[in-house]
Amino acid sequence: DSGVTQTPKHLITATGQRVTLRCSPRSGDLSVYWYQQSLDQGLQFLIQYYNGEERAKGNILERFSAQQFPDLHSELNLSSLELGDSALYFCASSGPGLAGGETQYFGPGTRLLVL
Amino acid sequence: KNQVEQSPQSLIILEGKNCTLQCNYTVSPFSNLRWYKQDTGRGPVSLTIMTFSENTKSNGRYTATLDADTKQSSLHITASQLSDSASYICVVRNYGGSQGNLIFGKGTKLSVKP
Repeated sequence: DSGVTQTPKHLITATGQRVTLRCSPRSGDLSVYWYQQSLDQGLQFLIQYYNGEERAKGNILERFSAQQFPDLHSELNLSSLELGDSALYFCASSGPGLAGGETQYFGPGTRLLVL
Repeated sequence: KNQVEQSPQSLIILEGKNCTLQCNYTVSPFSNLRWYKQDTGRGPVSLTIMTFSENTKSNGRYTATLDADTKQSSLHITASQLSDSASYICVVRNYGGSQGNLIFGKGTKLSVKP
């Protein structure tokens, strides 16, 4: 158990819909990262937050957005869903530093299926 | 272009045997290199993090090497166990970028058979 929690574990929805994925980082971690992993694809970095502020952006679509709240939990919002958005979405946390050498601890992931 | 290439794509070995996974990268400037183990359907778990000055780092039966001159890394697994069956992902970070500048390899899928 990494200490990072993600809800829900599974999500089935229809094209055009909007969903929210939730992540709670490990106690004391200030950074939260979101990743997408499609079938047979590598992990794709989406976005990072540090202590409530957006820190870095990767290959995140405009239909996707995220935020980190004062209690440090984070939400990833996916809207106007398409079939190709079906994937495993992972959240990871690290910190409290920003030096870049910290280990990232991954949550169990949310499996999204868009029908 | 910053890239991380892993080989082989997949590997099948017998329990108890050793194996070596390869990672070549073109990421520049380099900050650190990480190896992760990912069980099917689960989140990756960090095995090692190596900086420019480190040549070898061990974590139990896992030993990672780094040659920053040739931009190559390897992960050696000794006396493999059935529980080693997983994907192994090599990740390289740009120096000077935020923690978000992580370039992921596609992984090597290892199957350990009894």
